[in-house]
Amino acid sequence: DSGVTQTPKHLITATGQRVTLRCSPRSGDLSVYWYQQSLDQGLQFLIQYYNGEERAKGNILERFSAQQFPDLHSELNLSSLELGDSALYFCASSATGGRGYGYTFGSGTRLTVV
Amino acid sequence: DQQVKQNSPSLSVQEGRISILNCDYTNSMFDYFLWYKKYPAEGPTFLISISSIKDKNEDGRFTVFLNKSAKHLSLHIVPSQPGDSAVYFCAASVGTIAGYALNFGKGTSLLVTP
Repeated sequence: DSGVTQTPKHLITATGQRVTLRCSPRSGDLSVYWYQQSLDQGLQFLIQYYNGEERAKGNILERFSAQQFPDLHSELNLSSLELGDSALYFCASSATGGRGYGYTFGSGTRLTVV
Repeated sequence: DQQVKQNSPSLSVQEGRISILNCDYTNSMFDYFLWYKKYPAEGPTFLISISSIKDKNEDGRFTVFLNKSAKHLSLHIVPSQPGDSAVYFCAASVGTIAGYALNFGKGTSLLVTP
């Protein structure tokens, strides 16, 4: 157990629908990151939150949004889903500083859009 | 635009031999480089990192080498063990005080055969 909890582990939904992925960071970590891993692709950075505020944006579609709540858990909302959104979505967390230790990743949510 | 590239999708090595995984990057502003290991159905786990001010970092069987002039880094695993069979991701970052986004390569699948 890495300490980063992602729910649900699997999600199957239809095109056009909206889903919410949830992440609880490791205790004490203020930063949360969302990544997408599609088939044949590496991990694509989507967005970062730090202590409730958006800090960095990567290749996140306008149909996607995220937030980090006062208790530091984060949610990634995916709407108007398309077949191409099927992927593994990872959440990771990190403490301030200590970049040499990288992030701690959760085990991911596998989203299948049918 | 892929700023971190792992040009070998797969590598097969015999147990006991050296595994060498390579990574190239394009952004000269990257100041931290990391390697992650990923088993199926799990999130990536941090393996080893190196700051851009160093050219080598060693941790047990794992050594990372950085050649800044060539914008190239490599991970050496000696001796390789069957349990090392996994996908290895190279990552690089430019940090801020509030966190940092990691840019990942597409990964190299390592198979260590008995």
